[in-house]
Amino acid sequence: EAQVTQNPRYLITVTGKKLTVTCSQNMNHEYMSWYRQDPGLGLRQIYYSMNVEVTDKGDVPEGYKVSRKEKRNFPLILESPSPNQTSLYFCASSFLSDGELFFGEGSRLTVL
Amino acid sequence: KQEVTQIPAALSVPEGENLVLNCSFTDSAIYNLQWFRQDPGKGLTSLLLIQSSQREQTSGRLNASLDKSSGRSTLYIAASQPGDSATYLCAVRPGGGGNKLTFGTGTQLKVEL
Repeated sequence: EAQVTQNPRYLITVTGKKLTVTCSQNMNHEYMSWYRQDPGLGLRQIYYSMNVEVTDKGDVPEGYKVSRKEKRNFPLILESPSPNQTSLYFCASSFLSDGELFFGEGSRLTVL
Repeated sequence: KQEVTQIPAALSVPEGENLVLNCSFTDSAIYNLQWFRQDPGKGLTSLLLIQSSQREQTSGRLNASLDKSSGRSTLYIAASQPGDSATYLCAVRPGGGGNKLTFGTGTQLKVEL
């Protein structure tokens, strides 16, 4: 089954404790991206990647890092999480840069 | 800066009704527009993708139209069912293409028995 898989789905952590949210897709998509969704603000892009080792900032990249060492994986790294990073995070992928987006089921992160 | 607005924020209709969800965008220079549905606790599911050169797209009971010059898109749902209850989001891609979408905040639809 074609899918985008995120882990963990739910996480509660404390300020400053590094964490990684993994994202994997099995559709051989070139393009992958991360979004956060906050009430009243909609989805905002954090980072995106056009291919292996090629990444770029989205609209809200501060406090996040990404890497794309393999085509299928695109982890999101929070080096020192803060409470304002409490949010619902989505990973997405597409075959073309401007093609149909496929989303993971989301990772709800709470930073205390 | 592109802004995408979806009104109303919430809508409740009885089963069987035909309904229209609205999406407005401020910059008409878009590459394409995509409609999604989001179920509680779930990710976004793609419904329809309309290219800027198209006027509409259809999938089953769903029909999406695009009027680029006026900055509007509508999602028409025919014969609504309780299973259609979800939040519907639209997203626009800028005229140069690429991977940056601007999302609306969604319309939360409830279809009642």
